Amino acid sequence: LAKTTQPISMDSYEGQEVNITCSHNNIATNDYITWYQQFPSQGPRFIIQGYKTKVTNEVASLFIPADRKSSTLSLPRVSLSDTAVYYCPSSGGYNKLIFGAGTRLAVHP
Amino acid sequence: DGGITQSPKYLFRKEGQNVTLSCEQNLNHDAMYWYRQDPGQGLRLIYYSQIVNDFQKGDIAEGYSVSREKKESFPLTVTSAQKNPTAFYLCASRPTGEGNQPQHFGDGTRLSIL
Repeated sequence: LAKTTQPISMDSYEGQEVNITCSHNNIATNDYITWYQQFPSQGPRFIIQGYKTKVTNEVASLFIPADRKSSTLSLPRVSLSDTAVYYCPSSGGYNKLIFGAGTRLAVHP
Repeated sequence: DGGITQSPKYLFRKEGQNVTLSCEQNLNHDAMYWYRQDPGQGLRLIYYSQIVNDFQKGDIAEGYSVSREKKESFPLTVTSAQKNPTAFYLCASRPTGEGNQPQHFGDGTRLSIL
């Protein structure tokens, strides 16, 4: 069961848009794509989920191309409080999640 | 206020001791999960349960045990057989049934060896 692939780290500045891309090369037909955010010493927090095309909620947008082999999490106008680790886990069956090391986003003043 | 409660937040264990980490949810979720997180790494699945009185081993079950006697509770015991128990432990739950519902996580228990 393959993990997804995402950049280890990213840097941005306050007010910028941040796009984090994840590769889902072994995604199954029935799998949804889900993104989580984690702050130090806290549990991951659900951000957004989608199956295909584009999904938007109050905190982020998720772009999924037609082949579903990748996804892009878009955070508009980031602030210092968006500094966190972002995960796009793959599915391990029975709704188990397989987490990689995630992407460490650092937002600078 | 619905959610997942993990206790204690910090736990210390002496060599050779078993310790039990508590996870309680009032979300009426059927499925519950235990993960382990080491510094700078992602989460690894220890055990999961899809329904009361049933549970399955995850990827790193050795040295751990669980029970699921009640829907809302899924305690994890770290036994003395777990040789490297120092880690951050996370509990999650999700509803089963139609649709793909995401997992919801508690805020973790940090276990350290004295």
